Amino acid sequence: GAGVSQSPSNKVTEKGKDVELRCDPISGHTALYWYRQSLGQGLEFLIYFQGNSAPDKSGLPSDRFSAERTGGSVSTLTIQRTQQEDSAVYLCASSLAHKRGTPLHFGNGTRLTVT
Amino acid sequence: AQKVTQAQTEISVVEKEDVTLDCVYETRDTTYYLFWYKQPPSGELVFLIRRNSFDEQNEISGRYSWNFQKSTSSFNFTITASQVVDSAVYFCAHGSSNTGKLIFGQGTTLQVKP
Repeated sequence: GAGVSQSPSNKVTEKGKDVELRCDPISGHTALYWYRQSLGQGLEFLIYFQGNSAPDKSGLPSDRFSAERTGGSVSTLTIQRTQQEDSAVYLCASSLAHKRGTPLHFGNGTRLTVT
Repeated sequence: AQKVTQAQTEISVVEKEDVTLDCVYETRDTTYYLFWYKQPPSGELVFLIRRNSFDEQNEISGRYSWNFQKSTSSFNFTITASQVVDSAVYFCAHGSSNTGKLIFGQGTTLQVKP
Protein backbone atom coordinates (compact mmCIF):
# COMPACT_ATOMS: atom_id res chain seq x y z
CA GLY A 1 0.00 0.00 0.00
CA ALA A 2 0.92 3.63 -0.22
CA GLY A 3 1.17 4.26 3.49
CA VAL A 4 1.74 2.52 6.80
CA SER A 5 -1.15 0.20 7.51
CA GLN A 6 -2.20 -0.85 11.00
CA SER A 7 -4.77 -3.36 12.08
CA PRO A 8 -7.14 -3.53 13.74
CA SER A 9 -8.08 0.13 13.86
CA ASN A 10 -9.95 -0.47 17.10
CA LYS A 11 -9.63 -3.21 19.66
CA VAL A 12 -11.66 -3.68 22.82
CA THR A 13 -10.46 -6.41 25.15
CA GLU A 14 -11.07 -7.57 28.66
CA LYS A 15 -8.47 -7.09 31.35
CA GLY A 16 -6.13 -10.04 31.48
CA LYS A 17 -6.46 -11.04 27.83
CA ASP A 18 -3.62 -10.95 25.32
CA VAL A 19 -3.76 -8.74 22.23
CA GLU A 20 -1.78 -8.52 19.02
CA LEU A 21 -1.44 -5.34 17.02
CA ARG A 22 -0.18 -5.45 13.46
CA CYS A 23 1.82 -2.97 11.41
CA ASP A 24 2.53 -3.16 7.71
CA PRO A 25 5.15 -0.53 6.83
CA ILE A 26 5.67 1.29 3.58
CA SER A 27 7.28 -1.01 1.06
CA GLY A 28 11.04 -0.68 1.12
CA HIS A 29 11.22 0.99 4.51
CA THR A 30 13.76 -0.85 6.60
CA ALA A 31 13.19 0.96 9.88
CA LEU A 32 10.00 0.48 11.88
CA TYR A 33 8.94 2.13 15.13
CA TRP A 34 6.19 1.61 17.68
CA TYR A 35 4.86 4.50 19.76
CA ARG A 36 2.05 4.78 22.27
CA GLN A 37 -0.22 7.78 22.66
CA SER A 38 -2.33 7.89 25.78
CA LEU A 39 -5.32 10.20 26.01
CA GLY A 40 -4.14 13.79 25.99
CA GLN A 41 -0.51 12.75 26.07
CA GLY A 42 2.38 12.96 23.69
CA LEU A 43 3.92 10.08 21.84
CA GLU A 44 5.85 7.61 23.95
CA PHE A 45 8.53 5.58 22.16
CA LEU A 46 8.26 1.83 22.66
CA ILE A 47 10.64 0.01 20.31
CA TYR A 48 12.25 0.23 16.92
CA PHE A 49 13.40 -2.30 14.35
CA GLN A 50 16.12 -2.14 11.78
CA GLY A 51 15.31 -5.03 9.51
CA ASN A 52 14.25 -7.85 11.78
CA SER A 53 16.36 -6.89 14.75
CA ALA A 54 15.36 -4.53 17.55
CA PRO A 55 18.40 -2.53 18.72
CA ASP A 56 16.34 -0.34 21.00
CA LYS A 57 13.59 -1.78 23.19
CA SER A 58 14.07 0.77 25.92
CA GLY A 59 10.53 2.11 25.76
CA LEU A 60 8.67 -1.12 26.38
CA PRO A 61 6.82 -0.47 29.68
CA SER A 62 7.01 -3.98 31.08
CA ASP A 63 7.78 -7.57 30.16
CA ARG A 64 4.13 -7.95 29.19
CA PHE A 65 5.00 -6.05 26.03
CA SER A 66 6.91 -7.65 23.18
CA ALA A 67 7.28 -7.10 19.48
CA GLU A 68 8.67 -8.92 16.51
CA ARG A 69 9.26 -8.26 12.88
CA THR A 70 9.52 -10.87 10.20
CA GLY A 71 10.87 -10.68 6.67
CA GLY A 72 11.92 -7.12 7.27
CA SER A 73 8.34 -6.07 6.77
CA VAL A 74 5.29 -6.73 8.96
CA SER A 75 5.62 -6.19 12.69
CA THR A 76 3.44 -7.40 15.54
CA LEU A 77 3.21 -5.78 18.96
CA THR A 78 1.90 -8.17 21.59
CA ILE A 79 0.57 -7.17 24.98
CA GLN A 80 0.03 -10.03 27.40
CA ARG A 81 -2.36 -9.96 30.35
CA THR A 82 -3.63 -6.53 29.40
CA GLN A 83 -4.28 -3.94 32.09
CA GLN A 84 -6.52 -0.89 31.99
CA GLU A 85 -3.51 1.39 31.90
CA ASP A 86 -2.58 -0.20 28.57
CA SER A 87 -5.53 1.60 26.98
CA ALA A 88 -4.07 3.97 24.39
CA VAL A 89 -3.55 4.49 20.69
CA TYR A 90 -0.63 2.44 19.44
CA LEU A 91 1.09 4.06 16.49
CA CYS A 92 3.46 2.45 14.06
CA ALA A 93 5.87 4.39 11.86
CA SER A 94 8.40 3.46 9.22
CA SER A 95 11.25 5.19 7.47
CA LEU A 96 13.62 4.47 4.64
CA ALA A 97 16.46 3.74 6.99
CA HIS A 98 17.43 4.19 10.58
CA LYS A 99 19.35 7.23 9.59
CA ARG A 100 19.66 10.50 11.30
CA GLY A 101 17.08 13.01 10.29
CA THR A 102 14.91 10.67 8.28
CA PRO A 103 11.23 11.61 8.79
CA LEU A 104 8.98 8.93 10.15
CA HIS A 105 5.79 8.06 8.30
CA PHE A 106 2.99 7.12 10.66
CA GLY A 107 -0.02 4.87 10.34
CA ASN A 108 -3.47 5.74 11.68
CA GLY A 109 -2.90 3.71 14.80
CA THR A 110 -4.77 1.04 16.73
CA ARG A 111 -7.00 2.31 19.49
CA LEU A 112 -6.85 -0.22 22.31
CA THR A 113 -9.44 -0.17 25.06
CA VAL A 114 -9.04 -2.51 28.01
CA THR A 115 -12.23 -2.95 30.01
CA ALA B 1 18.82 12.54 27.64
CA GLN B 2 16.80 14.46 25.14
CA LYS B 3 13.64 16.25 26.13
CA VAL B 4 11.12 18.31 24.23
CA THR B 5 8.80 20.74 25.97
CA GLN B 6 5.71 22.27 24.45
CA ALA B 7 4.45 24.47 27.24
CA GLN B 8 1.25 25.47 25.50
CA THR B 9 -1.27 22.70 26.02
CA GLU B 10 -4.11 24.37 24.15
CA ILE B 11 -4.42 27.49 22.03
CA SER B 12 -7.62 28.94 20.65
CA VAL B 13 -7.63 31.64 17.99
CA VAL B 14 -10.09 33.16 15.59
CA GLU B 15 -9.61 32.54 11.91
CA LYS B 16 -7.09 34.84 10.21
CA GLU B 17 -5.16 35.44 13.40
CA ASP B 18 -1.49 34.57 13.49
CA VAL B 19 -0.43 31.99 16.04
CA THR B 20 2.94 30.76 17.28
CA LEU B 21 3.48 27.33 18.78
CA ASP B 22 6.46 27.12 21.09
CA CYS B 23 8.95 24.27 21.30
CA VAL B 24 11.96 24.09 23.60
CA TYR B 25 14.33 21.16 23.62
CA GLU B 26 17.15 19.77 25.71
CA THR B 27 19.91 17.72 24.17
CA ARG B 28 23.48 16.63 24.68
CA ASP B 29 23.94 15.90 20.99
CA THR B 30 26.14 18.22 19.00
CA THR B 31 24.30 17.24 15.84
CA TYR B 32 20.58 16.64 15.94
CA TYR B 33 17.35 17.13 14.07
CA LEU B 34 14.10 18.84 14.94
CA PHE B 35 10.70 18.05 13.52
CA TRP B 36 7.15 19.31 13.54
CA TYR B 37 4.21 17.00 12.96
CA LYS B 38 0.50 17.75 12.64
CA GLN B 39 -2.17 15.40 13.95
CA PRO B 40 -5.62 16.40 12.62
CA PRO B 41 -8.79 14.98 14.13
CA SER B 42 -8.50 12.00 11.79
CA GLY B 43 -5.53 10.89 13.90
CA GLU B 44 -2.77 10.35 11.37
CA LEU B 45 0.47 12.17 12.07
CA VAL B 46 1.59 14.29 9.15
CA PHE B 47 5.22 15.33 8.77
CA LEU B 48 5.59 19.09 8.31
CA ILE B 49 9.27 19.97 8.53
CA ARG B 50 12.74 18.83 9.56
CA ARG B 51 15.63 21.08 10.54
CA ASN B 52 19.28 20.18 11.06
CA SER B 53 21.04 21.56 14.11
CA PHE B 54 23.81 23.02 11.99
CA ASP B 55 21.42 25.03 9.85
CA GLU B 56 19.70 27.84 11.71
CA GLN B 57 18.17 29.40 8.63
CA ASN B 58 14.50 30.03 9.17
CA GLU B 59 12.06 28.52 6.75
CA ILE B 60 8.79 29.65 5.27
CA SER B 61 6.33 27.46 3.46
CA GLY B 62 3.16 29.25 2.48
CA ARG B 63 1.41 30.31 5.69
CA TYR B 64 3.81 28.26 7.81
CA SER B 65 7.15 29.47 9.12
CA TRP B 66 9.66 28.06 11.53
CA ASN B 67 12.14 29.91 13.72
CA PHE B 68 15.09 27.84 14.93
CA GLN B 69 17.28 29.46 17.57
CA LYS B 70 20.08 27.30 18.87
CA SER B 71 21.04 29.86 21.51
CA THR B 72 17.70 29.43 23.25
CA SER B 73 17.15 25.78 22.22
CA SER B 74 13.88 26.68 20.58
CA PHE B 75 12.17 25.70 17.37
CA ASN B 76 8.95 27.68 17.16
CA PHE B 77 6.25 27.29 14.55
CA THR B 78 4.11 30.18 13.30
CA ILE B 79 0.93 29.92 11.29
CA THR B 80 0.01 33.15 9.56
CA ALA B 81 -3.63 33.97 8.81
CA SER B 82 -4.85 30.78 10.48
CA GLN B 83 -7.68 28.77 8.98
CA VAL B 84 -10.18 26.36 10.47
CA VAL B 85 -8.39 23.51 8.70
CA ASP B 86 -5.30 24.26 10.78
CA SER B 87 -7.13 22.93 13.84
CA ALA B 88 -5.10 19.97 15.03
CA VAL B 89 -2.60 18.80 17.59
CA TYR B 90 0.93 19.85 16.69
CA PHE B 91 3.95 17.95 17.92
CA CYS B 92 7.55 19.01 18.06
CA ALA B 93 10.17 16.26 18.12
CA HIS B 94 13.91 15.76 18.51
CA GLY B 95 15.97 13.22 16.61
CA SER B 96 19.53 12.29 17.52
CA SER B 97 22.35 12.15 15.04
CA ASN B 98 22.99 8.48 15.73
CA THR B 99 19.44 7.17 15.90
CA GLY B 100 16.27 7.60 13.93
CA LYS B 101 14.19 7.50 17.10
CA LEU B 102 12.21 10.68 17.71
CA ILE B 103 11.44 12.10 21.11
CA PHE B 104 8.18 14.01 21.04
CA GLY B 105 6.82 16.86 23.08
CA GLN B 106 3.40 16.62 24.69
CA GLY B 107 1.77 18.43 21.82
CA THR B 108 -0.19 21.66 21.48
CA THR B 109 -3.85 21.52 20.57
CA LEU B 110 -4.73 24.37 18.24
CA GLN B 111 -8.34 25.32 17.74
CA VAL B 112 -9.10 27.84 15.03
CA LYS B 113 -12.61 29.20 15.27
CA PRO B 114 -14.45 30.64 12.27
